[in-house]
Amino acid sequence: DQQVKQNSPSLSVQEGRISILNCDYTNSMFDYFLWYKKYPAEGPTFLISISSIKDKNEDGRFTVFLNKSAKHLSLHIVPSQPGDSAVYFCAASGHGSSNTGKLIFGQGTTLQVKP
Amino acid sequence: EPEVTQTPSHQVTQMGQEVILRCVPISNHLYFYWYRQILGQKVEFLVSFYNNEISEKSEIFDDQFSVERPDGSNFTLKIRSTKLEDSAMYFCASVRTTLRSEAFFGQGTRLTVV
Repeated sequence: DQQVKQNSPSLSVQEGRISILNCDYTNSMFDYFLWYKKYPAEGPTFLISISSIKDKNEDGRFTVFLNKSAKHLSLHIVPSQPGDSAVYFCAASGHGSSNTGKLIFGQGTTLQVKP
Repeated sequence: EPEVTQTPSHQVTQMGQEVILRCVPISNHLYFYWYRQILGQKVEFLVSFYNNEISEKSEIFDDQFSVERPDGSNFTLKIRSTKLEDSAMYFCASVRTTLRSEAFFGQGTRLTVV
């Protein structure tokens, strides 16, 4: 049951360029989406989120875009830095009246930013 | 900055033994979660906990699993009789409110069942 999918297992970009990570979801009840960054042997670290009532949210170098009709979101990192190299997880939440705040995660995309 | 802390960082146990994983969530948070990540797989939801009771659990969270918040600060996950397939990273998370609030995760406990 893959309600949240990240179809690209890995992405490699040059330092200073834009990184675009993609995520698709199938459950139309999701109303809150998050991106987490994870280093090996550490827990996921929150990066940025977006509510379904918006189509864009920006925080410094990170911007998340949401296309509800396509059930697609993306994370843009501009400019990319070597320290951004990590696994990025897309997550979704919100299940109507029974929302308990649980997150459904994608499989993750490993980003490598080359100096 | 407040953080979620988990102990131990690594636990090795024999199959059939009981293990308790411990977490101290952020103090003013109200909602608590356990997730796990089997090596090479996605992070999976196990259980959510609010107001001293389970609010939701996944199919993974069977009778071998239990959670409690015994003293108002610690949040524990117990696995009664561990199986080899329980080997994974276990993450605790806490949320201030459920409505459009980010979850803060601990650094995880690596459980190895031998």
